[in-house]
Parts: sequence; structure tokens; C-alpha cells
Amino acid sequence: GQQLNQSPQSMFIQEGEDVSMNCTSSSIFNTWLWYKQDPGEGPVLLIALYKAGELTSNGRLTAQFGITRKDSFLNISASIPSDVGIYFCAGPDYGGATNKLIFGTGTLLAVQP
Amino acid sequence: GAVVSQHPSRVICKSGTSVKIECRSLDFQATTMFWYRQFPKQSLMLMATSNEGSKATYEQGVEKDKFLINHASLTLSTLTVTSAHPEDSSFYICSASSGISETQYFGPGTRLLVL
Repeated sequence: GQQLNQSPQSMFIQEGEDVSMNCTSSSIFNTWLWYKQDPGEGPVLLIALYKAGELTSNGRLTAQFGITRKDSFLNISASIPSDVGIYFCAGPDYGGATNKLIFGTGTLLAVQP
Repeated sequence: GAVVSQHPSRVICKSGTSVKIECRSLDFQATTMFWYRQFPKQSLMLMATSNEGSKATYEQGVEKDKFLINHASLTLSTLTVTSAHPEDSSFYICSASSGISETQYFGPGTRLLVL
């Protein structure tokens, strides 16, 4: 079945550093979604990608839809303490019911002030 | 836009009792709502998918008689954990989709602790 693997599993960085994380799949996706989950909260949608090669920004966040449609990248520039959280990629579950999503394993980001 | 609320945010109950969790889409009509469970340090696990006015579709291994889902309107879905046991303690999160795209908008989650 479809699986999404995220790397790295966790990151511990200094405030001000840039961050890069990625999400890979063994199968093709036509949509990539990036969510952030703060501790004790539900995930919040950061960026949605709908086209191979697409590069989309949301403030200090930039995400790219890989040309092969099997991967996506999320970059955070000039990190700040409130960037702390778990970042999940997600894509549609084409083998299941309408609009189901498959979630990646998550990348935990810790930012040292 | 695309705000989803959940109530309660946290609940503590005794073993054997039932707990109802509400999920509401506040500013859009949700044709589909999803219920997830998340254990500490793990990703979200889909429990069931519900479409307004029809029976929920449960994921493999999720007991439909234990986790009752009702999606009575385009803005409200409820999850009832019946005869709760300590192993049901978890973080329950709902999400809603308007059906236009695969994008889901999540509620803030409900922390359930069963004593």
C-alpha cells in the first residue's frame, strides 16, 4: 500500500537557522499537503501542492512538489522558537474511500532560542 | 476560513462510561468528516470516515459498535466512545473536508483519559 516516509525523524537547531525536511513515497501522488502540529493541538495546514514541480511559499515556509510526484520538500527559513512542533506531510489515499489522507511519519522540530 | 472546532477539549471519565465528542465545521459545509486517534509520539491513525446522512466507514481493526459516529448535518459529526476503558485513553482529532479537494481541516483535538 501507499506509505509516506519523512526525514529526518527529528531536528534540533538554533534559532535563525534554516530547516529542510522531506517526504518520500513509493507511489505517485497528485497532491501533497504539509501540516504542522503543535503539542496538544490538531494539525494546521501550512501548504497545499497540486502540480508536479510546483513551488509554493507561505511566509518563511516554502514547499515543493517533486517532479517525479513521489516526493516533496518543506523548507523553513530563519527559524524562530514558535516553529517548534511536528511537521507532517500527507497525500490522498487512492486505494481507499473518497478524500482519505495518508500521513507521513512526522518530523519533530526543536528550536533552541 | 476553514475553521473546525471540537468539544470538549479534554475529558476524564470512569471506566465503563460513555463519552461523546463533537466536531463542528464553523464556516464551511463539510461533506466528509474524519476521526483520527493519536497516541504519544505517533502519527495520526484514521479511525473512520463519515459522510453527511450516511453510515460511517470504519478502518480495519476499529470497532464500529464501540466508536459510534453520527454525521447528522453538514456542520456536525459526533464520536461516542462507548463503555470506555483505560486503553481508549488517547488524543482524538476530527477533520473536515468540503469535498472540493482532498484538503482536510483539523479540529484542535480532544484529550480523553479513562480512569
